[in-house]
Formats: sequence, C-alpha cells, structure tokens
Amino acid sequence: DAGVIQSPRHEVTEMGQEVTLRCKPISGHDYLFWYRQTMMRGLELLIYFNNNVPIDDSGMPEDRFSAKMPNASFSTLKIQPSEPRDSAVYFCASSPRWSGYYNEQFFGPGTRLTVL
Amino acid sequence: SQQGEEDPQALSIQEGENATMNCSYKTSINNLQWYRQNSGRGLVHLILIRSNEREKHSGRLRVTLDTSKKSSSLLITASRAADTASYFCATDARDSGSRLTFGEGTQLTVNP
Repeated sequence: DAGVIQSPRHEVTEMGQEVTLRCKPISGHDYLFWYRQTMMRGLELLIYFNNNVPIDDSGMPEDRFSAKMPNASFSTLKIQPSEPRDSAVYFCASSPRWSGYYNEQFFGPGTRLTVL
Repeated sequence: SQQGEEDPQALSIQEGENATMNCSYKTSINNLQWYRQNSGRGLVHLILIRSNEREKHSGRLRVTLDTSKKSSSLLITASRAADTASYFCATDARDSGSRLTFGEGTQLTVNP
C-alpha cells in the first residue's frame, strides 16, 4: 500500500487566492482526518470524516475553510480566500474502522502551504 | 492547557544514552499513543497502550501508563542519532469517538 497520499507537497500562493489541498487515504480506512501544524499552535485537528460523512468540524478556523469527501478514496481541503496566517503544514491522516480500543492513525507527508 | 502535554519540550542527549519523555493528560482515556515525527515528514505511530495496561515494550521503546496520575512516559533505550525527531503523545478520550488529541511534542536530539 502506498500509504496516505497528499498533493501538492508544497504550495506557495498570494493572499486572496483559493487553495485546494488533496488527500487520498489508505484503501479500506473508514476515517479521514485533516490537521494543521504550526510552531505556535502545534498540531490541530480541523475536521474528520467517517465513511465520507463529516463528523466533527469544530476545529475548522472559519468559514474560509471547507472540506469535502465525495468518495472513500478522495478528500479536499479548500481555503478561500487564503491569508498569510493560514501558512502551515497541513496533514491528512486515515484510520481503520474504530474497534473501541485501537485507532492508530496513518499520516500523509503533508502539504506545506505558504501564503504571501 | 491542552490534553496531552509532553515534557520536556526539548531534550538533547548523547548516542547510547536513554531518553525519557513524559506526557500528562486530563480526561479518562481508552488508550494513549506515541508518535514520532522526523523533520519535514508526517507523524508515524510508534506504540499504543490501553487504559488497562501499565507497561508495554516494543524493541527499544518502553511505555508506561499511570491512569491514577493521568500520565505516561516513553523511554527510548540505547539511543541512536536516527532517533532524533519530535515525539508526540496522543490521547483517545472515552467520549471522543475516533479522534485523537495530540500534545505539543518533545524535540529529541541525539548527538553522535
């Protein structure tokens, strides 16, 4: 298995532009998570899906952020319009069906976003 | 303060020494996990310990869990330069479903 795949790996854009980050989870995993990592705030959970349905989006910072999961093998995180404070590394992670005891998450390599 | 706080924030040791990192949390948990993050990479799962376990080993890793103190420790024995990374604990609160809450991490530097 190729693991969790994210694209692009690096994105540099100007303030006000739309940014779309993409994620392909591990096949067969039921859960998909989007995180943001910065030096100041650490690793923050933005939103997660279970079987393509958003379960908790309380971490999404504001209406400029939106996430979709149209099918089990693809998810997007969109920022529109982007701002310099959105600069961060965005990680996607997936997890198998939750057993109640074991829910290891598998992380992608991340997308480093720089908003100028 | 956040669920899952590690200390120290940074640790620098010599190759061959042992490294101990600690994690504290606030709520009841199903399990506690430790992850490693190499610079510029995603997090990688190291080990999971369930709430009814007190100690677990995996290779050079030893994890302990004290639910009465709501704390865990990760011990890396006979450290290597390749162990240089950030280490995060992650807790799975009992009412949180499948979500994990990550701590702020400990930056470990192992000097050759």
